[in-house]
Amino acid sequence: DIQMTQSPSTLSASVGDRVTITCRASQSISNWLAWYQLKPGKAPKLLIYEASTLESGVPSRFSGSGSGTEFTLTISSLQPDDFATYYCQQYNTYSGTFGQGTKLEIK
Amino acid sequence: EVQLVESGGGLVQPGGSLRLSCAASGFTFSSYAMTWVRQAPGKGLEWVSAISRSGGSTYYADSVKGRFTLSRDNSKSTLYLHMNSLRAEDTAVYHCAKEKGSGSYESWGQGTLVTVSS
Repeated sequence: DIQMTQSPSTLSASVGDRVTITCRASQSISNWLAWYQLKPGKAPKLLIYEASTLESGVPSRFSGSGSGTEFTLTISSLQPDDFATYYCQQYNTYSGTFGQGTKLEIK
Repeated sequence: EVQLVESGGGLVQPGGSLRLSCAASGFTFSSYAMTWVRQAPGKGLEWVSAISRSGGSTYYADSVKGRFTLSRDNSKSTLYLHMNSLRAEDTAVYHCAKEKGSGSYESWGQGTLVTVSS
């Protein structure tokens, strides 16, 4: 099975900061990687798919990069609505393994 | 607008059974593979099961294989997850999700809570 390792597990930042979250796959997944945003009590939201493609309606301050085994999610200028938990997910295989999550907190 | 509405969750004793449903609207249900993902309290997301557009192929996480059965009724635009031999570690919010085509999940329901406890 493909394992996904996400870091950091918690990130403290301020409005306006640029932040980066990293996700590593245990084997190459090409660009079959997605990023999601989770908020308590709400449905998860797809942000990025195929490693770098922005989902329709997602603000352009979100961006993704990487291929193979190393991937990043960058938020260029944090907004108050961005404080949430973020997950990467590989879908190179039908079992869409998720990373452990990164909780983005207000500093 | 795509809508996915899960139902059927609740409190069940260890060893018991439940059937979750996911009613879909706003898109051609039969054209999309579907998935269940769960989140245990205080834990991360875990992929549970997936089904092809026709329902002819199903896939399961090792943690639920042999206990859970995923099916769909395309005439009713509804997804079903039959859960047997439930364990405490199955306690979670269960979300259904619509696959984008390449495998990411572009739309999610808000989830239904399953609690396995005596």
